Amino acid sequence: RKEVEQDPGPFNVPEGATVAFNCTYSNSASQSFFWYRQDCRKEPKLLMSVYSSGNEDGRFTAQLNRASQYISLLIRDSKLSDSATYLCVVNRLTGGFKTIFGAGTRLFVKA
Amino acid sequence: DVKVTQSSRYLVKRTGEKVFLECVQDMDHENMFWYRQDPGLGLRLIYFSYDVKMKEKGDIPEGYSVSREKKERFSLILESASTNQTSMYLCASRPTGTGELFFGEGSRLTVL
Repeated sequence: RKEVEQDPGPFNVPEGATVAFNCTYSNSASQSFFWYRQDCRKEPKLLMSVYSSGNEDGRFTAQLNRASQYISLLIRDSKLSDSATYLCVVNRLTGGFKTIFGAGTRLFVKA
Repeated sequence: DVKVTQSSRYLVKRTGEKVFLECVQDMDHENMFWYRQDPGLGLRLIYFSYDVKMKEKGDIPEGYSVSREKKERFSLILESASTNQTSMYLCASRPTGTGELFFGEGSRLTVL
C-alpha cells in the first residue's frame, strides 16, 4: 500500500462544476500537507498548504482531517485553466525529514 | 523570483553512456533534491543533499550518483545509462524550516 494515495482519475467535468479530490496518508507521524498542481509536461508548483482548520484561496478550499488521515481539495466554479494534475504531498519527520508525493489526480475541465 | 534551472530539457542517450544532469538554484536554499517521475508511479526520490558535499540516498538511488560541490549546484550522474532510466528527472530545492519545494522545469531523458 502506498503511503499517500489518491484517486488517479481522470476527472472530466464541465466548466462551472465543483470538483473534489481526496487523498489519504498512512503514516500518523505526518506533519505538514500540501496540494501541488502540475500542468502537462511542466514541473509541479505549490497550489496551497493544508491546515487542520481548513483554508481557502479563492475558488480552492483545502481540508485536513488528522483523525482520519485524510486531505481534500475542493475546486468551485471550474475553469478550463484548472485542467492539470493535482498532487497530494505529505511531509513527515521519522528518521529524518521526508516528503512523500501521491501519484496525482488528473483533471480535465471541458467547455 | 525563485528560480531552479536544469541544464537540459530533452536528452537522448545510448545504453552505456554516462549522463550528467545539472541543476542550479539561485535562492540560497540548503536542501536540494533529485526526483524521477514516471506515469502511475508519481515522483520518486533518487538522492538529496542538505549541505555542500553532503548527500543522502533517497528511495531509488541504484544506478545514480550525485555531486554537490557548491551550494547552488546539484548534479545527477548516470554512470552507465540503461533503458529503464528513461524518465522525467526533476530537480528541486527547499529552504530549511519550510515544506515548500521549488522545482526546475525537468529533464526528459530517453535512453535507447
